Amino acid sequence: NAGVIQTPRHKVTGKGQEATLWCEPISGHSAVFWYRQTIVQGLEFLTYFRNQAPIDDSGMPKERFSAQMPNQSHSTLKIQSTQPQDSAVYLCASSFWGEQDTQYFGPGTRLLVL
Amino acid sequence: QQQVRQSPQSLTVWEGETAILNCSYENSAFDYFPWYQQFPGEGPALLIAIRSVSDKKEDGGFTIFFNKREKNLSLHIKDSQPGDSATYFCAASGTGFASALTFGSGTKVIVLP
Repeated sequence: NAGVIQTPRHKVTGKGQEATLWCEPISGHSAVFWYRQTIVQGLEFLTYFRNQAPIDDSGMPKERFSAQMPNQSHSTLKIQSTQPQDSAVYLCASSFWGEQDTQYFGPGTRLLVL
Repeated sequence: QQQVRQSPQSLTVWEGETAILNCSYENSAFDYFPWYQQFPGEGPALLIAIRSVSDKKEDGGFTIFFNKREKNLSLHIKDSQPGDSATYFCAASGTGFASALTFGSGTKVIVLP
């Protein structure tokens, strides 16, 4: 079991460019979560999917951010027109769809917007 | 609104001592409280978790003490080792099926040999 895989591990973009972050959940897990981690704001929830369907996106910024899960083996987080304040570590986690099942985190993608 | 609070922000202990990390919450709907351990450059990893029906949970050298009435809990790391040096996050979520975690700001623990 390779755990949650996130690619790329590091990404540098220029202000205004688009960034796409990839997550491959643990095989058999039906829930996928996205979080963002910064020094100032800490760990913040962004959005999550169950069986590929979006369930809760209450943490997603209303503009420029979008997430998809086109199949059970991967999810993407897309940030359009990146801004310096988008610089953060973006973490993906997956779990079984059971009551309070453990969320297993990937290593994260460190995004730097210059 | 910071729904989960952690203290202290950082903690230094000597090898063999017990480190005590504190966490409090505001939302009465929270009933599942995992603690995550994070090393630099890695994602958080579940250390131990407790549900609100319990007041204590032990796993190896880690113990959670939970006080539902006071809405607080603590993580005790017994016989701390230098390898326990990491940042520890208290998190919380509500009842029912998998839901988003609300994290505290973390406690950075340094264990000196």
